[in-house]
Amino acid sequence: DSGVTQTPKHLITATGQRVTLRCSPRSGDLSVYWYQQSLDQGLQFLIQYYNGEERAKGNILERFSAQQFPDLHSELNLSSLELGDSALYFCASSQSGNQETQYFGPGTRLLVL
Amino acid sequence: AQSVAQPEDQVNVAEGNPLTVKCTYSVSGNPYLFWYVQYPNRGLQFLLKYITGDNLVKGSYGFEAEFNKSQTSFHLKKPSALVSDSALYFCAVRASGTASKLTFGTGTRLQVTL
Repeated sequence: DSGVTQTPKHLITATGQRVTLRCSPRSGDLSVYWYQQSLDQGLQFLIQYYNGEERAKGNILERFSAQQFPDLHSELNLSSLELGDSALYFCASSQSGNQETQYFGPGTRLLVL
Repeated sequence: AQSVAQPEDQVNVAEGNPLTVKCTYSVSGNPYLFWYVQYPNRGLQFLLKYITGDNLVKGSYGFEAEFNKSQTSFHLKKPSALVSDSALYFCAVRASGTASKLTFGTGTRLQVTL
């Protein structure tokens, strides 16, 4: 158990809908990262937050957004969902966001029908 | 741009035999290199990392990896494989001194049989 928690574990929704994925980092970690894992794209970095501020952006679609709250938990919002958004979404956390290790949560499996 | 190549989709090895999972990378400047393992329906678990120092890095569950700068490789090894090592292994790289984007390889499935 990495100490990173993600909810929900599974999510089934329809095209065009909006969902919110939640992540709680390990105790003491200030940085949160979001990744998408799909069969065709592999593991892709989406976005990083550090202590409430966006720090780095990867291959995140404009339909997706994220934020990190004062208690350091983070939410990833996915809107206008398409079939291709079906994937496993991982959250990871690290102490400060530099060279140290990122610890991953168990993921949220999203299925868009 | 940084990239990671894991040339083998699957590696098969008998229990008790040594295993190697290959990884090569491309990055500007000094690399930070990581290995993660993913079991079915689980998240990624950190195995080991190379930041600087000794080229041979020891990690969890008896795994180790050797950093080779001239060959830009970071192969994962274990002297004696266990059936329970069967999983999906990911190599990842990040350039030093940059924002923390980790670039992952496509993964290598390790199958250890009796």
